[in-house]
Amino acid sequence: KQEVTQIPAALSVPEGENLVLNCSFTDSAIYNLQWFRQDPGKGLTSLLLIQSSQREQTSGRLNASLDKSSGRSTLYIAASQPGDSATYLCAAPLSNDYKLSFGAGTTVTVRA
Amino acid sequence: DGGITQSPKYLFRKEGQNVTLSCEQNLNHDAMYWYRQDPGQGLRLIYYSQIVNDFQKGDIAEGYSVSREKKESFPLTVTSAQKNPTAFYLCASSPYSGGTDTQYFGPGTRLTVL
Repeated sequence: KQEVTQIPAALSVPEGENLVLNCSFTDSAIYNLQWFRQDPGKGLTSLLLIQSSQREQTSGRLNASLDKSSGRSTLYIAASQPGDSATYLCAAPLSNDYKLSFGAGTTVTVRA
Repeated sequence: DGGITQSPKYLFRKEGQNVTLSCEQNLNHDAMYWYRQDPGQGLRLIYYSQIVNDFQKGDIAEGYSVSREKKESFPLTVTSAQKNPTAFYLCASSPYSGGTDTQYFGPGTRLTVL
């Protein structure tokens, strides 16, 4: 069974600082690696999806890397803004399974 | 606008009651999912359906039931057998009958047991 861990559970940074969020998974036979954003009391919004054959994916200020051999993915958010405050979750489905295994998330606060 | 709707936004249940959470999508997606989210925990899969009239148990299906009579609808019933149902429930869908594609989430239903 895939186990996904996100550390730290919470992070507070001043506006303008770059954010680095970590995701680790136990089984490297993943189909892809997905990052989501969740605002308080809301559903999830997909941010980035990295296929297992890719090393990174970029969208605007967001960049996600994937290292399957070490079981890690990192989400970078450049020049953080107060609007980036949210919980960020990663999910790592196994290639022989149709289920997304989620981490507990990292709650980010960007201070103005 | 295409998307996923969940109703109600808030739901209160008395002990021993069954309650049904609604999930509707107009994205023409084949697959639909129900997740449960507890504070400080990741999402846990309750049930999923890859095609109409078919569904499979997820990791925590006990005390829950679903139906998939129409492509656009996937209601979840929380039965009295579910001992600790207070949680945030999220419905999702994806374009293909494989759960590894990007999933699109509804706004959620918060269920509280009185």
